[in-house]
Amino acid sequence: GIQVEQSPPDLILQEGANSTLRCNFSDSVNNLQWFHQNPWGQLINLFYIPSGTKQNGRLSATTVATERYSLLYISSSQTTDSGVYFCADGGLTGGGNKLTFGTGTQLKVEL
Amino acid sequence: GAVVSQHPSRVICKSGTSVKIECRSLDFQATTMFWYRQFPKQSLMLMATSNEGSKATYEQGVEKDKFLINHASLTLSTLTVTSAHPEDSSFYICSASRSGAYNEQFFGPGTRLTVL
Repeated sequence: GIQVEQSPPDLILQEGANSTLRCNFSDSVNNLQWFHQNPWGQLINLFYIPSGTKQNGRLSATTVATERYSLLYISSSQTTDSGVYFCADGGLTGGGNKLTFGTGTQLKVEL
Repeated sequence: GAVVSQHPSRVICKSGTSVKIECRSLDFQATTMFWYRQFPKQSLMLMATSNEGSKATYEQGVEKDKFLINHASLTLSTLTVTSAHPEDSSFYICSASRSGAYNEQFFGPGTRLTVL
């Protein structure tokens, strides 16, 4: 199956800094999602982004499916951004296909 | 919209007992639900895929007699950990997928199981 590598594995930022998280796939990307897992374990949907670029407030994401990668940009980071960021690919469109999760990026934003 | 609940959020049980975890889609119908397991500082590992009215599909290495899954309706799936042992202690997370063209999944808040 598809392999999903995320980088960096760990990241420490000062509040207000910007960062870019990367997700590389070993095979074609079809239904990519980005999640934030907060310190209590809840996964929060950030983006559904099979291709192109989307923005939501301080976050934006870009997926280049032909080159098998996706990027998540965090601008003006805040302490509430801390947690683990996962990307995941859902396989071919059709509904109900399982997600393959990346290895995750652990982010800590400090004052 | 797209809210998924899980109950209980935390459970402690004795070795040998069974524990049932419920996963509900609150504001949409979920044709498919998924169950994941997450160990500390690791990614999510898919255990099984559950479709309403049919038997669950388990991932390789997951014991179906150990982890019983029932998807009785379009809004409810349950995971029962039978004869739990300390090695079953983990964080269990469910997700639900809406029917339609997109494959977006929405996650419950998770259940932390501790088996003594």
